[in-house]
Amino acid sequence: GAVVSQHPSRVICKSGTSVKIECRSLDFQATTMFWYRQFPKQSLMLMATSNEGSKATYEQGVEKDKFLINHASLTLSTLTVTSAHPEDSSFYICSAPLLAGYTGELFFGEGSRLTVL
Amino acid sequence: AQSVTQLGSHVSVSEGALVLLRCNYSSSVPPYLFWYVQYPNQGLQLLLKYTTGATLVKGINGFEAEFKKSETSFHLTKPSAHMSDAAEYFCAVIITGGGNKLTFGTGTQLKVEL
Repeated sequence: GAVVSQHPSRVICKSGTSVKIECRSLDFQATTMFWYRQFPKQSLMLMATSNEGSKATYEQGVEKDKFLINHASLTLSTLTVTSAHPEDSSFYICSAPLLAGYTGELFFGEGSRLTVL
Repeated sequence: AQSVTQLGSHVSVSEGALVLLRCNYSSSVPPYLFWYVQYPNQGLQLLLKYTTGATLVKGINGFEAEFKKSETSFHLTKPSAHMSDAAEYFCAVIITGGGNKLTFGTGTQLKVEL
């Protein structure tokens, strides 16, 4: 079946450094991918929609310069957390719709837990 | 704008007992409704979805949910809980033609006890 894979699954970094998280669709092409952030014991909050070949669309309140999204190909989207700070520590999850006629059914990556010291 | 409310952030049941996780939605147009399950440190997995047609939908692992328009509800049930069902469950909604964005509820942590 369709699989979305994220890497790394866990990353620890020092404050002020940048961290890149990759999201790959393994056996299908994804022109659109979604990036979510999940705080402990809370729901998923949509951060941005990644669009292959064009700029990402960010949700209100999400800093574009801090969370850089690049959709380099039909199977890869990356999220870079720039100048990370402890408050950026969170569980980041990407997802992609399998069907071009997207109706809400998403395939999710395993998530990437970022810890900023 | 659409939204979902999950009643009860924690639900505890005995193994073999009925599982009932509640979800109510708010939408001015016919919604698509989903239940996702999240196991620890993993991404979400689709359990079931309602788009159109039959209001009782069956999903994986013996779960099912019924869309009740009159009650604006989409509660998730399973007749007999298993230890492996312990996880976080999220109800989600999308409105057709509404930008294709899923809105998630706050989640319900299901605990299954012996």
